[in-house]
Amino acid sequence: GAVVSQHPSWVICKSGTSVKIECRSLDFQATTMFWYRQFPKQSLMLMATSNEGSKATYEQGVEKDKFLINHASLTLSTLTVTSAHPEDSSFYICSARDHSGRDRNIQYFGAGTRLSVL
Amino acid sequence: SQKIEQNSEALNIQEGKTATLTCNYTNYSPAYLQWYRQDPGRGPVFLLLIRENEKEKRKERLKVTFDTTLKQSLFHITASQPADSATYLCALANFNKFYFGSGTKLNVKP
Repeated sequence: GAVVSQHPSWVICKSGTSVKIECRSLDFQATTMFWYRQFPKQSLMLMATSNEGSKATYEQGVEKDKFLINHASLTLSTLTVTSAHPEDSSFYICSARDHSGRDRNIQYFGAGTRLSVL
Repeated sequence: SQKIEQNSEALNIQEGKTATLTCNYTNYSPAYLQWYRQDPGRGPVFLLLIRENEKEKRKERLKVTFDTTLKQSLFHITASQPADSATYLCALANFNKFYFGSGTKLNVKP
């Protein structure tokens, strides 16, 4: 099946620094990728939809200047948390859809990134 | 706005029994519904997809039903095993948007 790789899996940073998270589709091309945030024992909250070659579509309440998304190629999307603060600490997960695959409606998820801001 | 409800309480069952998890939704007419498994500290893994015109879907020990009148999906694991212990999420989708429930934790005891 389709594989999505997310890196890093865990990052600790100081308040005020920026953190970049990478999401790669390893064996398929993903024109659309999604970024989610998940708090303990809560649902995945969609932050934004990343579109290859164009601007990301952010969900209501998500600061686009805070969470920068770049989807420069068909296999890579990045999420940069700028000037991170402790309240940004969370579990961030990316996903991608294989539009050329047998079932285009399945989302394949990365393993997630645990961000801790001190 | 749409609302997806999964039982927040953990479901504890004995190995070999059938586990049944529920997903209810309101204010939404999804084109299809999906079930995912999530282990602690990991991303969700796709299990099954069922479309609005399908009543039931099976895959090995897994079975999903979809009742668009009741706005409910049931997820069954037969002959459950301790390795089935995880959190199970339902997700509703229409067009390019997915909405997830908060998940139900399943504990299968040997």
